[in-house]
Amino acid sequence: SAVISQKPSRDICQRGTSLTIQCQVDSQVTMMFWYRQQPGQSLTLIATANQGSEATYESGFVIDKFPISRPNLTFSTLTVSNMSPEDSSIYLCSVAVAEAFFGQGTRLTVV
Amino acid sequence: AQSVAQPEDQVNVAEGNPLTVKCTYSVSGNPYLFWYVQYPNRGLQFLLKYITGDNLVKGSYGFEAEFNKSQTSFHLKKPSALVSDSALYFCAVRDGNDYKLSFGAGTTVTVRA
Repeated sequence: SAVISQKPSRDICQRGTSLTIQCQVDSQVTMMFWYRQQPGQSLTLIATANQGSEATYESGFVIDKFPISRPNLTFSTLTVSNMSPEDSSIYLCSVAVAEAFFGQGTRLTVV
Repeated sequence: AQSVAQPEDQVNVAEGNPLTVKCTYSVSGNPYLFWYVQYPNRGLQFLLKYITGDNLVKGSYGFEAEFNKSQTSFHLKKPSALVSDSALYFCAVRDGNDYKLSFGAGTTVTVRA
């Protein structure tokens, strides 16, 4: 198993600003994933973050809006840039071993 | 491409009765199937998985699921539901060659006392 610490757990942000979410894993993992869960919706994969290479983004998500860092095998950040109310969601990081483990999520509200 | 369908938005059962949450999937390769549960203001918790082997898999909190290849289904079951099982349940699938998960829309389970 893997224990994932994600912070902040929640934040309220002004539109036009940026928020960086941190994800720390208690073991070294090759791949980390960032998901978005919009209110009342399921989870959608934003991007896959591998250490030492650029993140791979899913359709509908771009690096300028969601820049990701992966400086080592236990840590990643996701930045939500130039936020609008439509970005209000829960953002979750995940690692995959045999099964995927998730952080507690960051509940973001943009006002 | 891969996808998951959870046909029921909500499932309501009385405590002590059997609970079933339905899931069907589509994947091009070998299916790796998962169930997760989400409690309010909490992250996703892993319940169980099917990768290979016995079609009936047992997981946490007394839950089990049956893999049916011909019907491409992976229904979650619990013989006797508890009020504390009330939560949002997600079925997920990935191709055995990839770690990216696709999630169903989720099913809200309400167990009444």
